[in-house]
Amino acid sequence: ETGVTQTPRHLVMGMTNKKSLKCEQHLGHNAMYWYKQSAKKPLELMFVYNFKEQTENNSVPSRFSPECPNSSHLFLHLHTLQPEDSALYLCASSQDWGNGGHSYEQYFGPGTRLTVT
Amino acid sequence: GENVEQHPSTLSVQEGDSAVIKCTYSDSASNYFPWYKQELGKGPQLIIDIRSNVGEKKDQRIAVTLNKTAKHFSLHITETQPEDSAVYFCAANNAGGTSYGKLTFGQGTILTVHP
Repeated sequence: ETGVTQTPRHLVMGMTNKKSLKCEQHLGHNAMYWYKQSAKKPLELMFVYNFKEQTENNSVPSRFSPECPNSSHLFLHLHTLQPEDSALYLCASSQDWGNGGHSYEQYFGPGTRLTVT
Repeated sequence: GENVEQHPSTLSVQEGDSAVIKCTYSDSASNYFPWYKQELGKGPQLIIDIRSNVGEKKDQRIAVTLNKTAKHFSLHITETQPEDSAVYFCAANNAGGTSYGKLTFGQGTILTVHP
């Protein structure tokens, strides 16, 4: 257990559905991340939040909508997805980088395996 | 932006042998280089990392070397064991400006250790 949990672990949804992925961290971190992991492609950073504020949107289509209500929870709202969005979606957390400019270890959850039909 | 290339994509070794995985990066400003191990059904887990002010770091059977001039870094696993079998990812980050936390990952290496 890494201290980062994700639900659901598996999700099958149609292209017209609306669903949400949930991530929770129990590590006292202030930074949280969403990644997409597709077969035969590197892990792709999608969004970064630091102290509930979004600091990075890596040109992600608007059909993916993140929400970070507090430093312990992160959601990814999904709507009108495409089959090519099928992938493993990973959440991670880390210490915030404050004003010192220092990168810290990211702790990953087990991921949500998403299939879009 | 940063680009990280990782080789080989697959690596097969006998138990007890050494394994080496290499990565190159493009952004000379990158200064943080973690290595992650991902087992089946799990998320990536950090195994070792190195910062640009250090040329080598070792933790038991695992070591990482960094050559800033050539912009490449390598993971070395000695005395491999079957439980080392997994997918290994390198990553790079420029912890400056607005890039905090923004890891760029390599494509991954599937390591198989045969008993």
